[in-house]
Amino acid sequence: GEDVEQSLFLSVREGDSSVINCTYTDSSSTYLYWYKQEPGAGLQLLTYIFSNMDMKQDQRLTVLLNKKDKHLSLRIADTQTGDSAIYFCAESPPDDSWGKLQFGAGTQVVVTP
Amino acid sequence: GAVVSQHPSWVICKSGTSVKIECRSLDFQATTMFWYRQFPKQSLMLMATSNEGSKATYEQGVEKDKFLINHASLTLSTLTVTSAHPEDSSFYICSASSPGLAADTQYFGPGTRLTVL
Repeated sequence: GEDVEQSLFLSVREGDSSVINCTYTDSSSTYLYWYKQEPGAGLQLLTYIFSNMDMKQDQRLTVLLNKKDKHLSLRIADTQTGDSAIYFCAESPPDDSWGKLQFGAGTQVVVTP
Repeated sequence: GAVVSQHPSWVICKSGTSVKIECRSLDFQATTMFWYRQFPKQSLMLMATSNEGSKATYEQGVEKDKFLINHASLTLSTLTVTSAHPEDSSFYICSASSPGLAADTQYFGPGTRLTVL
């Protein structure tokens, strides 16, 4: 199974905030990423955070990083129906060969009107 | 962000035939490309890592003679599924990266749906 863990499903009402949680394994990972996958499509990079940061905000997206607990979260403000997708968190363990990513299983977010 | 394309987007083939999937980085030079396989409602499984001009590095359990990878230029990598069988039916996704990109980011192609009859 995956070493990066995510909850599998989240239902949220349009206009509310969504929070997607992830726990990762390697405290020395340099970067942590959030990707979005819509049905039948590839992965779209949403945002990333450098491991020496606690928070990063990018428009409606806020990433929080708790290195002590190896916990990463993605908050989507004012969630829209277009935000319905699967969201993957990923880490880049430095011990692995360059560029390899460890993905979580993905969180399916369903936005209801 | 950087753009990666894949061709074809979907393909249906008969059992025993070979299928080639192309992955192109359109607006940057990708020293490294990755090939993933994704089963329905599952995460991505890394199959192999290819560096331009050298042999691909395959993950454990992935047959290199069955999944041939070529990365002949900085903008093109190909995955050939040889003698495909129904169990090879899957969604294949490539990604491309380069050490010069911010945060060592991988940019993903849109995926190729392979169905083997």
